[in-house]
Amino acid sequence: AQTVTQSQPEMSVQEAETVTLSCTYDTSENNYYLFWYKQPPSRQMILVIRQEAYKQQNATENRFSVNFQKAAKSFSLKISDSQLGDTAMYFCAFMKVDTDKLIFGTGTRLQVFP
Amino acid sequence: GAVVSQHPSWVICKSGTSVKIECRSLDFQATTMFWYRQFPKQSLMLMATSNEGSKATYEQGVEKDKFLINHASLTLSTLTVTSAHPEDSSFYICSARDPVSSYEQYFGPGTRLTVT
Repeated sequence: AQTVTQSQPEMSVQEAETVTLSCTYDTSENNYYLFWYKQPPSRQMILVIRQEAYKQQNATENRFSVNFQKAAKSFSLKISDSQLGDTAMYFCAFMKVDTDKLIFGTGTRLQVFP
Repeated sequence: GAVVSQHPSWVICKSGTSVKIECRSLDFQATTMFWYRQFPKQSLMLMATSNEGSKATYEQGVEKDKFLINHASLTLSTLTVTSAHPEDSSFYICSARDPVSSYEQYFGPGTRLTVT
């Protein structure tokens, strides 16, 4: 069975600085997707970024980028130029190709300070 | 982008009663929807996969007779919590699979259920 681990329950960063959130996963599959979701206080889940496992190039979405290390089964999220609106819970998630099941990590609460 | 709505956003019910939660895809047809449960300060746990026109597939440990799922149309799935008890109090979130990408899910805003 697949598992997703987020070892940082809470993180904080000052506005405009950079922060990295960690995620590791365990799977025997070769084809899968990885995601980072943001859950602000409103509780609405928002997709931040996704990565296809077959792609070696790390995904980037504006201020958000990932460091995908397939061999190490690591998928960290880097937030550059942090903004107050980035304050939220961040969940790392795994999905095996050809299934619809998202497996979530336990989340990291990020607080951005002015 | 694709929008998924949930109704109600918040509901209080008495122990022993049943409550229905609706999940709608507003601007796309969703053949597959998902129901998650989230306890306070915890992660999302998949409860079941809802397929239009067929029976839902429940995850291990989820009581199918307690959590009734109906996906009667391409835009609506419902979750009914039957004979609710205080331990069923939780945040319930639905999502719908993007029919184009096949791996992206769009999430509803969630429903907070409190059973007294």
